[in-house]
Amino acid sequence: GAVVSQHPSRVICKSGTSVKIECRSLDFQATTMFWYRQFPKKSLMLMATSNEGSKATYEQGVEKDKFLINHASLTLSTLTVTSAHPEDSSFYICSARDGTMGDTQYFGPGTRLTVL
Amino acid sequence: QKEVEQNSGPLSVPEGAIASLNCTYSDRVSQSFFWYRQYSGKSPELIMSIYSNGDKEDGRFTAQLNKASQYVSLLIRDSQPSDSATYLCAVKGSGGYNKLIFGAGTRLAVHP
Repeated sequence: GAVVSQHPSRVICKSGTSVKIECRSLDFQATTMFWYRQFPKKSLMLMATSNEGSKATYEQGVEKDKFLINHASLTLSTLTVTSAHPEDSSFYICSARDGTMGDTQYFGPGTRLTVL
Repeated sequence: QKEVEQNSGPLSVPEGAIASLNCTYSDRVSQSFFWYRQYSGKSPELIMSIYSNGDKEDGRFTAQLNKASQYVSLLIRDSQPSDSATYLCAVKGSGGYNKLIFGAGTRLAVHP
């Protein structure tokens, strides 16, 4: 149980384009999902908290107009990186909180974004 | 600023030994604690959660929590080369939205 998927696993795009990343909880309902970014050999950085049916809560320093988050259902959250630039190249990881398992977060496999 | 501190390592142990990973946290009211393992290039995977003072065992893993000392640890018995990874300690923050505060991780290297 507690499986979280992400799609795509890897994406390469040109500078200036937008990229959408999907995060799905496959066998449980997640009222809350989280989006993280991780640069090589660095720790996880929480970008935003995604709540089903309401606006996402962004961490300090994260541009909400650049990183658009939509949590339209209890099993799906999307992160759209708008007008991507090379400095946005990173490993983006989502996690989902299974409310029946307390505060436990289960992570998706991650999406590696490369912006040329 | 609520913090979670871990020694970055690397912690090097021989195969078959016990690896001891430590974590301290600053928020006294924290109630939920987690250990995740992250292999290079992969996302974190949950190893254990612990909520009460004392020890919690799951196979070769034992989590230990001491809320008075604000300290949580992870012991790995009979360490294997496949245990070589970065271990992340996470603490549920006292704020809303159930977000976790992660330590920077300890890199463990188990050598044959």
